[in-house]
Parts: sequence; C-alpha cells; structure tokens
Amino acid sequence: NAGVTQTPKFQVLKTGQSMTLQCAQDMNHNSMYWYRQDPGMGLRLIYYSASEGTTDKGEVPNGYNVSRLNKREFSLRLESAAPSQTSVYFCASSEIRGRPLRNTIYFGEGSWLTVV
Amino acid sequence: DAKTTQPNSMESNEEEPVHLPCNHSTISGTDYIHWYRQLPSQGPEYVIHGLTSNVNNRMASLAIAEDRKSSTLILHRATLRDAAVYYCILINNAGNMLTFGGGTRLMVKP
Repeated sequence: NAGVTQTPKFQVLKTGQSMTLQCAQDMNHNSMYWYRQDPGMGLRLIYYSASEGTTDKGEVPNGYNVSRLNKREFSLRLESAAPSQTSVYFCASSEIRGRPLRNTIYFGEGSWLTVV
Repeated sequence: DAKTTQPNSMESNEEEPVHLPCNHSTISGTDYIHWYRQLPSQGPEYVIHGLTSNVNNRMASLAIAEDRKSSTLILHRATLRDAAVYYCILINNAGNMLTFGGGTRLMVKP
C-alpha cells in the first residue's frame, strides 16, 4: 500500500523562486495536513484541509498557499521562496470524524527543501 | 485544541524499561491521547492511543492517569531502534487542527 506519497523528495530553490510540493493519499481520508520541521525541532502545522474543498491556516501559514485538488491530493505552494523556508516538509492524512477508535494519522516520507 | 507538555529529552539503557511522561492538564472529555514516534529522517508513525483505560499493543503500553491529566508511554525493553522523538498529542472528533509539540527525544545507550 502506498499510503501518503510526497513529491519531490529533495529540492534546491533559489530565493524568490516558486514551487509546489505534491501530496496524495490512497486511503480515502477526509483530512490532510502539511507540516514543516526545522532541524532539531518538532512539527509545526502549516495548513490543513478537513475535507475536500476546505482549507484552513495552521500555526505557521505565512509564505505558503495550499490547494485541496480533490479528496486524494493536497498541494503546498511556495510563491516566493525564502531561506527561512528551508526545512523538511511532511504531508499527512487521517480520518478522524466518526471513527474515534481508528483515527490514526499517516505521514509521508518527507520533502527536503533548501532555499539558497 | 488542548496542549501537551513533554520533557525535551530522556536517556535509557538498552534492554531497560522506559517511561515517557506527558502532561495534558486541559484535556477535554472527548480527547483521545495519542502517541507517535519519529525515527531519524522519517515521518512520524503511530505508536498507541487511548481514552481512559490503560492500553497495550505490540509496540508499547499506555498508562493514563485516573484524572486523565497525564499519561505515560512505556517501552518495556528499550532497543537501539527505539531511539526516536516521541510525540504525545490529543485528538478528538471535533477538531481537525492537529498540532504537535516538540516531543521527547529518547536516546538509548548500548
């Protein structure tokens, strides 16, 4: 089973360039999330989508935009990359509503982004 | 969403039990206590979760205080492969903004 798939795995950007991180899940989950993790730090929520067609800001949304393209896919866009956005980005999905005993979060393998 | 508090780091010797604490004093009645761990260079993975009663699975045990304001993840025999960051988070059916704290970095010494 693929689970949560992120692309690309590694990317180097120049300051001011734009790029989109792609995420897809094959578990038919309603909720999807984007996190960033700086070296030696915990996960910080950037944006999340509770269901298809909805998106909401998380803890650190500035400098990012998201699109919930359909139930499977949730993309994260950096319009004008800055060195402060150098980080590891994780996409996650879950099915929380209505299933309290099985509301596990599944994470992708991460996307390593460096902005120079 | 209710927040959790964990120690930044802990050390353990290999093959000894490890008790990882988590405080969640503002937990609500519908919050489930979840634990995830993140191995180096990987995404977090599910470990265990519970509501009120203690829980056991093949990876670990979860002990929940009677007032639910704290919990403890128990690794019965730590191995070198258990060296990871362990996150304690609260999840309920109403909230979708899942936030993680800094977690506890567990170091296992041979």
